[in-house]
Amino acid sequence: DSGVTQTPKHLITATGQRVTLRCSPRSGDLSVYWYQQSLDQGLQFLIQYYNGEERAKGNILERFSAQQFPDLHSELNLSSLELGDSALYFCASSTWGGQGNNEQFFGPGTRLTVL
Amino acid sequence: AQKVTQAQTEISVVEKEDVTLDCVYETRDTTYYLFWYKQPPSGELVFLIRRNSFDEQNEISGRYSWNFQKSTSSFNFTITASQVVDSAVYFCALWDNAGNNRKLIWGLGTSLAVNP
Repeated sequence: DSGVTQTPKHLITATGQRVTLRCSPRSGDLSVYWYQQSLDQGLQFLIQYYNGEERAKGNILERFSAQQFPDLHSELNLSSLELGDSALYFCASSTWGGQGNNEQFFGPGTRLTVL
Repeated sequence: AQKVTQAQTEISVVEKEDVTLDCVYETRDTTYYLFWYKQPPSGELVFLIRRNSFDEQNEISGRYSWNFQKSTSSFNFTITASQVVDSAVYFCALWDNAGNNRKLIWGLGTSLAVNP
């Protein structure tokens, strides 16, 4: 158990809908990262937050947004969902984001299925 | 550009065999960090090792060992006397220190099947 929690574990929804994925980092970790893992694209970095502020951005679509709250938990919002958004979404956390190169600890993931 | 290549897509071995997973990276940075992660069938990504570019010593942790060679830009991972529980997808990753958009660059992974 990495100490990172994600809810829900599974999510099934329809195209055009909006969902919110939630992540709680390990105790003491200030950095949160979001990743998407799909069969055809592998593991893709989406976005990073450090102590409430956006720190780095990857291949995140405009339909997706995220935020990190004062209690350090983070939410990833996915809207206008398409079939291609079906994937495993991971959250990870690390101890600090100054250099950002510390090891990241991953949650169990949320499996999103868009029908 | 920063890049990580794991040329082996799938490897299948019989239990107790030794197996090496290859990782080749490209970077312009003189200071960089490399990682290995394991993703067992349960799906969760598990951190295995982090190495920085200043430390070229090989590392051993039980049946796992890592060979870091800057001259060939490789960071290979060897499992000695493999076990069925080692069956997983293994990812190599490079920390991209470029500019303000620092992030991990991931290889596509190597799927290892250890058969009894």
